Amino acid sequence: SQTIHQWPATLVQPVGSPLSLECTVEGTSNPNLYWYRQAAGRGLQLLFYSVGIGQISSEVPQNLSASRPQDRQFILSSKKLLLSDSGFYLCAWSLMGGVGYTFGSGTRLTVV
Amino acid sequence: TQLLEQSPQFLSIQEGENLTVYCNSSSVFSSLQWYRQEPGEGPVLLVTVVTGGEVKKLKRLTFQFGDARKDSSLHITAAQPGDTGLYLCAGVNSGAGSYQLTFGKGTKLSVIP
Repeated sequence: SQTIHQWPATLVQPVGSPLSLECTVEGTSNPNLYWYRQAAGRGLQLLFYSVGIGQISSEVPQNLSASRPQDRQFILSSKKLLLSDSGFYLCAWSLMGGVGYTFGSGTRLTVV
Repeated sequence: TQLLEQSPQFLSIQEGENLTVYCNSSSVFSSLQWYRQEPGEGPVLLVTVVTGGEVKKLKRLTFQFGDARKDSSLHITAAQPGDTGLYLCAGVNSGAGSYQLTFGKGTKLSVIP
């Protein structure tokens, strides 16, 4: 069966520090991968998606970047965090042509 | 930009009551999904509706997709405390080899025992 792992679950980082969140998928090949951010009182905002290794599409200009070094690995990064980067970050996957998304359990990031 | 408006934003009801939440857009979607999210967790897919006018039932939950594929509703019969959570609708757009979701802001449901 397919599973998705996302870590860490919670993170408190000072302003200006770097960030690296990792997401891995097991049990499937060539998934579409997504990073979403969910702010309090707001819906899920798509940040990045990837249809293959090294292929990253950015939806929102911001202080973040994403990379896909392996087929089932998706990384969200920042060189210098801002207070506005605080939020709940979710990784998700779907199959090409599939309409069901499976989400990870999320990372609660607080920038102080 | 495609937007999905969900209403109500908050809903607090007694156990055993019925409720309906709505998801509306001015845009047409190829399909629409409903998710439920519990605090500190990722959303979990409940259902996908594809055809205009489609009705799907999942135990006490009934999902309907509008004829024009712009809106949807979720009806819960005899709500239970376990139904408590954030209900999110998401419109599906296909293109560039990736299926992207546009999420509404959600309806936060509290079912009081």
